[in-house]
Amino acid sequence: DIQMTQSPSTLSASVGDRVTITCRASQSISSRLAWYQQKPGEAPKLLIYKASSLENGVPSRFSGSGSGTEFTLTISSLQPDDFATYYCQQYNSYSWTFGQGTKVEIK
Amino acid sequence: EVQLVESGGGLVQPGRSLRLSCAASGFTLDHYAMHWVRQAPGKGLEWVAGISWNSGSVGYADSVRGRFTISRDNAKNSVYLQMNSLRAEDMALYYCAKASGGHYYYYIDVWGKGTTVTVSS
Repeated sequence: DIQMTQSPSTLSASVGDRVTITCRASQSISSRLAWYQQKPGEAPKLLIYKASSLENGVPSRFSGSGSGTEFTLTISSLQPDDFATYYCQQYNSYSWTFGQGTKVEIK
Repeated sequence: EVQLVESGGGLVQPGRSLRLSCAASGFTLDHYAMHWVRQAPGKGLEWVAGISWNSGSVGYADSVRGRFTISRDNAKNSVYLQMNSLRAEDMALYYCAKASGGHYYYYIDVWGKGTTVTVSS
């Protein structure tokens, strides 16, 4: 199975900060990577698909990049609504796998 | 509005079985692959199983292969997860999720709210 490793596990930041989360795959997944945001008590929400495509309705401060085995999610200017947990997920082959999550906390 | 509503969760003893259902509305189910994803209390997301639009391709996480079976009935707009030989480590919130296309190489774009499975004697 393909392993997905996210870093950091926790990130403390302030409103207005630029935030970057990294996701590494144990083998190439081309660009078949998605990013999800999850808030407590809610289902995950799709932010980015195909590594860098922004889902409809998602603010443009979110962006994704990468291909192969190295990927990043960037929030250009952190807003109060962005404090949440973020997951990467590969859909290149069964079995699908998620990263372990990155919790973005208020500094 | 695209909607997924899970049901069938509950309290079950270790070793017993449970069948989860997912009712889809607001879209044509037979165009899309469907998945089950779970989240244990306080833990991250774990993909459980997926099924292509015509049931021709299915996949399972190693942790459930041989015990869980995913199926679908497009005529009934429903997806199912049959869970046998349940273990304590299967206890989680189970989400039904819609893919953006018909096969495994399409990402999840819609999630249900989940149904809770508790495994305890």
